[in-house]
Amino acid sequence: QVQLQESGPGLVKPSQTLSLTCTVSGGSISSSSYYWSWIRQPAGKGLEWIGRIYTSGSTNYNPSLKSRVTISVDTSKNQLSLKLSSVTAADTAVYYCARGVGTTNFDYWGQGALVTVSS
Amino acid sequence: DIQMTQSPSSLSASVGDRVTITCRASQSISSYLNWYQQKPGQAPKLLIYSASSLQSGVPSRFSGSGSGTDFTLTITGLQPEDFATYYCQQSLSTPLTFGGGTKVEIK
Repeated sequence: QVQLQESGPGLVKPSQTLSLTCTVSGGSISSSSYYWSWIRQPAGKGLEWIGRIYTSGSTNYNPSLKSRVTISVDTSKNQLSLKLSSVTAADTAVYYCARGVGTTNFDYWGQGALVTVSS
Repeated sequence: DIQMTQSPSSLSASVGDRVTITCRASQSISSYLNWYQQKPGQAPKLLIYSASSLQSGVPSRFSGSGSGTDFTLTITGLQPEDFATYYCQQSLSTPLTFGGGTKVEIK
């Protein structure tokens, strides 16, 4: 059974960089059958796709965040990471990592990590 | 970006009811449409992919239909565990986008 677990600081100061890690267990992050995404959800609001990375290293980012986002994979640790720079209060949200498959649906999700941007 | 519009934004229903949620895309997305269920404090769960394919392990009371711009999620015989928020998501092109959600509440 594939499991995803997000981890990282729950509080980030404005203008700093948000960094999260997603550890994948029960399967290899290197499998070419899948890709890996970050998705976020502000409290009480809907879901926003941040970006994705394929095992080849190829990435796609949401244009609304592209200038501030970096997604990478560490295959030796079976981990996915997210870096979001120059954060503001608007970046406060629950951040999910998710596995993408087939026609771009997300079949496995982490439980989510709440990140608050505040001084 | 492809905009996804769900309706209604919320609805009240009783156990055993048939519930229909609609999702409309701002342009044709063929059958590149997925449905998720999210309960409070939990991650979304994939229910339906490619507009009408039932994800493994999901009860058959959930069904999806549609193509092009108009899609429907139907729950036939609503169960207590089905009270949740439902999201559609287009997978035709990036940025991948979600609908605003439909909250199904107990009447």
